[in-house]
Amino acid sequence: GAGVSQSPSNKVTEKGKDVELRCDPISGHTALYWYRQSLGQGLEFLIYFQGNSAPDKSGLPSDRFSAERTGGSVSTLTIQRTQQEDSAVYLCASSLLGQGARNTIYFGEGSWLTVV
Amino acid sequence: GIQVEQSPPDLILQEGANSTLRCNFSDSVNNLQWFHQNPWGQLINLFYIPSGTKQNGRLSATTVATERYSLLYISSSQTTDSGVYFCAVISSGSARQLTFGSGTQLTVLP
Repeated sequence: GAGVSQSPSNKVTEKGKDVELRCDPISGHTALYWYRQSLGQGLEFLIYFQGNSAPDKSGLPSDRFSAERTGGSVSTLTIQRTQQEDSAVYLCASSLLGQGARNTIYFGEGSWLTVV
Repeated sequence: GIQVEQSPPDLILQEGANSTLRCNFSDSVNNLQWFHQNPWGQLINLFYIPSGTKQNGRLSATTVATERYSLLYISSSQTTDSGVYFCAVISSGSARQLTFGSGTQLTVLP
């Protein structure tokens, strides 16, 4: 597609439920990132995928968070047993190349998650 | 990991004024980008500028990689320029993620 596409754009869920957030990167982009941004805060790195390499999961805040990327394209971020502190905007980004590369990173519009 | 500091944290301007936003980083980088986050949360890429100078309309940016800082210039500001401006970098080492500064909140008054 023309840009990074994320869905859903908004999600309200009850505490304890599982949620899945989807990211469709720009066609041909091999690197994919997930970030989250709590209200009024900066961006927090979650996970990075680059081609067929093992993902960099160093930013995932707990084992309730997981992500996968199928076929080197679409990615799904899953949050199990959601807590109120998980409420945030989850932003996905992609770039043409990853580590050490000098390419622009483009962000999607985000998925706004509210846990009630 | 690499540290990214932005200044000022807040800036209020009258429409038509010029401004300079600064980004300092603690290590060498191979990627530096400036983003504008609009009131709806969308991050718009402004510049990819790990070194040198670029201009796009009323905006321009300069990165002096050897001195580890970057500047974003906004000239003849407009109310639509309001929002948060983020600087983000990828260090030249093994790190792969984009590390963000805490942003500059810009408000342009009519």
